[in-house]
Amino acid sequence: NAGVTQTPKFRVLKTGQSMTLLCAQDMNHEYMYWYRQDPGMGLRLIHYSVGEGTTAKGEVPDGYNVSRLKKQNFLLGLESAAPSQTSVYFCASTYQGKSYEQYFGPGTRLTVT
Amino acid sequence: TQLLEQSPQFLSIQEGENLTVYCNSSSVFSSLQWYRQEPGEGPVLLVTVVTGGEVKKLKRLTFQFGDARKDSSLHITAAQPGDTGLYLCAGGRYGGATNKLIFGTGTLLAVQP
Repeated sequence: NAGVTQTPKFRVLKTGQSMTLLCAQDMNHEYMYWYRQDPGMGLRLIHYSVGEGTTAKGEVPDGYNVSRLKKQNFLLGLESAAPSQTSVYFCASTYQGKSYEQYFGPGTRLTVT
Repeated sequence: TQLLEQSPQFLSIQEGENLTVYCNSSSVFSSLQWYRQEPGEGPVLLVTVVTGGEVKKLKRLTFQFGDARKDSSLHITAAQPGDTGLYLCAGGRYGGATNKLIFGTGTLLAVQP
């Protein structure tokens, strides 16, 4: 049982380049989330999904797109990377229902130059 | 807008000392969670509190949810180097079906041997 996995672990992009971050979970969770973590700001929600084929905007969605074609996978895309998107990105998942416990992946460190 | 403020932001103490971390908000939450994050890893859940005034103990860690469900505290007794890490509080909101969490700004704890 791998839990939540993220690929890649590290990436360096040049301004204007695009990339996709992959999140996979093997716990049959309905809900999945993408966060970014910046110093002194905790975790901020980018986009989330409450089920296969559904996505919604979070607190800081600009410059990002997401897709949830399969229940176990949640993809985060950057179409035209900007230096302001330099951050550590975390994916999380949880069960449907009243429990708010979230299970996190190990993160992806992205640098945009 | 950061709805959950944590204090202190940084804390460096000697092994064996006691400490308290605070998580404050002007908003009411249906539940409050505490996570610990170690360098290079994702946050891991420590505890969830759901009732105003609730106190939970986890070995040397004591968690309390404020009576009005707007704040929480984490007290560590006789801190050990293994307690070093970033502590994050996270609030869950009533209503909706998204299980979204609002994360605090974080407290970085360093316990020196």
